[in-house]
Amino acid sequence: DTEVTQTPKHLVMGMTNKKSLKCEQHMGHRAMYWYKQKAKKPPELMFVYSYEKLSINESVPSRFSPECPNSSLLNLHLHALQPEDSALYLCASSQDAGTGLWEQYFGPGTRLTVT
Amino acid sequence: DAKTTQPNSMESNEEEPVHLPCNHSTISGTDYIHWYRQLPSQGPEYVIHGLTSNVNNRMASLAIAEDRKSSTLILHRATLRDAAVYYCILRESTSGTYKYIFGTGTRLKVLA
Repeated sequence: DTEVTQTPKHLVMGMTNKKSLKCEQHMGHRAMYWYKQKAKKPPELMFVYSYEKLSINESVPSRFSPECPNSSLLNLHLHALQPEDSALYLCASSQDAGTGLWEQYFGPGTRLTVT
Repeated sequence: DAKTTQPNSMESNEEEPVHLPCNHSTISGTDYIHWYRQLPSQGPEYVIHGLTSNVNNRMASLAIAEDRKSSTLILHRATLRDAAVYYCILRESTSGTYKYIFGTGTRLKVLA
């Protein structure tokens, strides 16, 4: 099974809401990633977890809070977002992040709209 | 930062070869070149990667210039299913953890 699943597929939230995005993989991968993708732009890395520890935070605002409860799950908690945070949020996983040579498997993404 | 530049868009006729170029003039000696593609309404998917030699797999070929400042992804016979955005990517290390730096991507249109 080479699938990365993400839920929900679509999310509409107000600026005062709290919501979470979920990502799951069962490939035994030890690196997981969150990317943000605006329309007609390339994905931009937000966070990298390696062996369930946060390894890279690309200066993401604190209204985005990642969590890695175990090696198969990755969450992104959202609070007090702005309309400009509306985007496609992609999760990915790879064998590890220590070499950058392992293929990253991407989920289909969660399309987030902030109203 | 390592960066890649790609044409915004290209067109190809179905069942003809497609050559997608990428410039990466600041590449370091140990950097691999990765290619991913993103089909409509999907996450990116791996296509191929290489360091110095030309590489082939079931999806595509990767031709890397001798000075490594450019590379070309070759789809040998484009199909309608190959219509996607193709990203040329370099990796970058932050404290021993590697991350991808995506290029702007080339949107490939395949004409029937």
